[in-house]
Amino acid sequence: DAKTTQPPSMDCAEGRAANLPCNHSTISGNEYVYWYRQIHSQGPQYIIHGLKNNETNEMASLIITEDRKSSTLILPHATLRDTAVYYCIVRGNYGGSQGNLIFGKGTKLSVKP
Amino acid sequence: SQTIHQWPATLVQPVGSPLSLECTVEGTSNPNLYWYRQAAGRGLQLLFYSVGIGQISSEVPQNLSASRPQDRQFILSSKKLLLSDSGFYLCAWSWRGRLAYGYTFGSGTRLTVV
Repeated sequence: DAKTTQPPSMDCAEGRAANLPCNHSTISGNEYVYWYRQIHSQGPQYIIHGLKNNETNEMASLIITEDRKSSTLILPHATLRDTAVYYCIVRGNYGGSQGNLIFGKGTKLSVKP
Repeated sequence: SQTIHQWPATLVQPVGSPLSLECTVEGTSNPNLYWYRQAAGRGLQLLFYSVGIGQISSEVPQNLSASRPQDRQFILSSKKLLLSDSGFYLCAWSWRGRLAYGYTFGSGTRLTVV
């Protein structure tokens, strides 16, 4: 079962920041938070991941709360091409099946002109 | 750089026919390999994963099987397809032993069983 809770859908105006929340209240100390997105009819695309500190790359920023029980993915200037389902996944530094990437239902982000 | 290839992109098969989907990875060695399925309107479900040649773990009981005959080759098979096998099948790879890294997915095969 997925260890995260996300809103099923969100809207964002083109050019504005998209802030996608994720709750992971049962996260363990060695578990990472990953974000992927899936544009319709394509394979999921890695966006970013983090453990404790906030992270930023060319695609997005990841803000993790100090207690690590929630995080927010920020797309600073959303475009129409960012319309996709966004998955927040908690994944442990384990071997075997416990280290596998398990997808939940994600958040359907619709960027509107 | 590493690349992952999946084929075919689309497939229409009759009920009861066999299935073979192939996935290959280039530019790395000893990858972990995965098969996922996404039924229409549903989330991604992990079907199989492999940490080495001939080593296959199944996450859910089903009509499908997987094999890894070579280090960078992962095959999904069925002897007799069911209507419920329809879906979007995705292969993925990850670095073995580098669990902080994510997965890279292929472009997928859309299977329709008729």
